[in-house]
Formats: sequence, structure tokens, C-alpha cells
Amino acid sequence: DQQVKQNSPSLSVQEGRISILNCDYTNSMFDYFLWYKKYPAEGPTFLISISSIKDKNEDGRFTVFLNKSAKHLSLHIVPSQPGDSAVYFCAAPPPGGTSYGKLTFGQGTILTVHP
Amino acid sequence: EAEVAQSPRYKITEKSQAVAFWCDPISGHATLYWYRQILGQGPELLVQFQDESVVDDSQLPKDRFSAERLKGVDSTLKIQPAELGDSAMYLCASSHWTAEQFFGPGTRLTVL
Repeated sequence: DQQVKQNSPSLSVQEGRISILNCDYTNSMFDYFLWYKKYPAEGPTFLISISSIKDKNEDGRFTVFLNKSAKHLSLHIVPSQPGDSAVYFCAAPPPGGTSYGKLTFGQGTILTVHP
Repeated sequence: EAEVAQSPRYKITEKSQAVAFWCDPISGHATLYWYRQILGQGPELLVQFQDESVVDDSQLPKDRFSAERLKGVDSTLKIQPAELGDSAMYLCASSHWTAEQFFGPGTRLTVL
């Protein structure tokens, strides 16, 4: 059972435009979400997170939106830059107030930003 | 900036051989995770340690995989014998009472 899903394997965007990466989840008990970025031959690096008590969190060019009723979150990158080209994963820790525990990852979306 | 260290970065082995991976978490991080990532998929947890104790190894194939964190600091993941299907990226991560986990660069294993 894939509890966190990223249904778009890849996304191609022009430099300067907006990139929108989507993530759906099936477990309504999830109450915290994280986005990671991964370059080839490197480990994932944390990008931004959001708690279920919020519907938006912003950090510079990166904004994550959470729609709890739709069990959907999205990561917006504005403006997109060639250095943003990477694989993006959404992930969720165990629900129920645990502050740590295994992350359940989506399959990832390959973002390519063209100059 | 503190980082999670892993070695080796790359490992090529023949099936039925034994392999071992090492991880040194960020200093002071009590929780250590080993994940496996197959190309085209997200990382999946193999084992989680809290200090030297195993918290979750439900997805660890215990007939061939073993993991230890004897002094609650660095950790070793072993596969014996390796199989073709074990070819993947093995990622170590650590955290300190937060949901955010810090990942090392990973070990790319190729089993021939």
C-alpha cells in the first residue's frame, strides 16, 4: 500500500517559470510532511516542511501548500533555476504526534529546469 | 556544518559475497536510520536505531541482512550473501528528536 504517492515521474520547466510538484497521501492520520531534494550520487537534503495545522509554509523561493480535505500537498518553486534540477521527494513521519520515526516517501519526481 | 558520513561510496561485488557499509551520524543524534533506495522509487526503511537499540527492523530481510550500532554512535549494515536484487543505494540518516532527518551521501551497491 503506497501511502504517499507522487504520480508525476518527471516535470520539465523553463528557467524563471514556476515549478509545481504534487504529492498525494492516503493516510489521513499523517500530520506532518517534508520535501527533500536529491541530486544524483548524493543523499536527499531537506528542503521544507509543513504541519497539518497550517495550509501553507514559505521559505524563499519554495512554498508548500497542504489541502487536508483532498489529502494533497504541492511544492511551488518560483522562479525556477537550472540548479533546481533534481529529484524531489515528499515524505511523512509516523502520525500521532511522534516527533521522529521512519519517513514514508513518495516515488519522487524528476524536475528538469531548462535555461 | 555537521554531516552524516558513509563509506564506501561505491561497492561492486559478486553475488553470494558479503558486503558491509558503515555510517557515522551527526554527533549527538540519538536516532539512526538505514534506508534502501531502488532507482525510480523513494527510500524505504530497513532498520531504525534509538541509541544502541533497534526500534524498527520489520522490513529488514533478516536471513541475509544484519545491522548493529554497538556503542550507540556509528553503525554497520551487512549483507551476506549478496543477491542480484540487492543492487541499490543504501542511505544512512540521523535525527535528534525531530521529524527532519539528515542523510549521508549513500553507498551505491552493484551486485554482479
